[in-house]
Amino acid sequence: KAGVTQTPRYLIKTRGQQVTLSCSPISGHRSVSWYQQTPGQGLQFLFEYFSETQRNKGNFPGRFSGRQFSNSRSEMNVSTLELGDSALYLCASSFHTVNTGELFFGEGSRLTVL
Amino acid sequence: AQTVTQSQPEMSVQEAETVTLSCTYDTSESNYYLFWYKQPPSRQMILVIRQEAYKQQNATENRFSVNFQKAAKSFSLKISDSQLGDTAMYFCAFEVQGAQKLVFGQGTRLTINP
Repeated sequence: KAGVTQTPRYLIKTRGQQVTLSCSPISGHRSVSWYQQTPGQGLQFLFEYFSETQRNKGNFPGRFSGRQFSNSRSEMNVSTLELGDSALYLCASSFHTVNTGELFFGEGSRLTVL
Repeated sequence: AQTVTQSQPEMSVQEAETVTLSCTYDTSESNYYLFWYKQPPSRQMILVIRQEAYKQQNATENRFSVNFQKAAKSFSLKISDSQLGDTAMYFCAFEVQGAQKLVFGQGTRLTINP
């Protein structure tokens, strides 16, 4: 069974640009979550989707958005990039419908903002 | 708001030794879940062990076990017979039942020396 796939793995952007990250969950998993990982702030929850509906959202500005498609694939978008958005963005999928249960993480997309 | 604290930024032990990683959390909720996740260098984060707060019995997974003290809001991870492959960042995480989001601690970098 293929794991969680995130693309692109690495990308470099400049301030003011926007970026779209993609995540393909494990087959059969309908819940997809996104986390931002930085050395200073650690792992912070961005949002969670289940069956194309956002069920929870973290404390991030509106520049951060996401969506989930009918095949459970998810994308997140960051507009008007700032230097502080440089981070490893982790996507995780879960089979569980109510509670998070076991999250299966991808390898992440490392974003550098110059 | 829930918080998770890992007071040991780094730990180092010899192979085959036993090591205990500490984690405390703060919440007013009564129904929640606790997790330990492992993030090896340049590899995906994976679940090590999971504990439901309503269960008094401590969870065990092979060489990994937890000491869950609900009243003290403490959730430590014990690794027995440590192996070189246990070298990783270890994150303690918390989820309120139904919240669909994890709150992570800052992590403990564990090094197993040969």
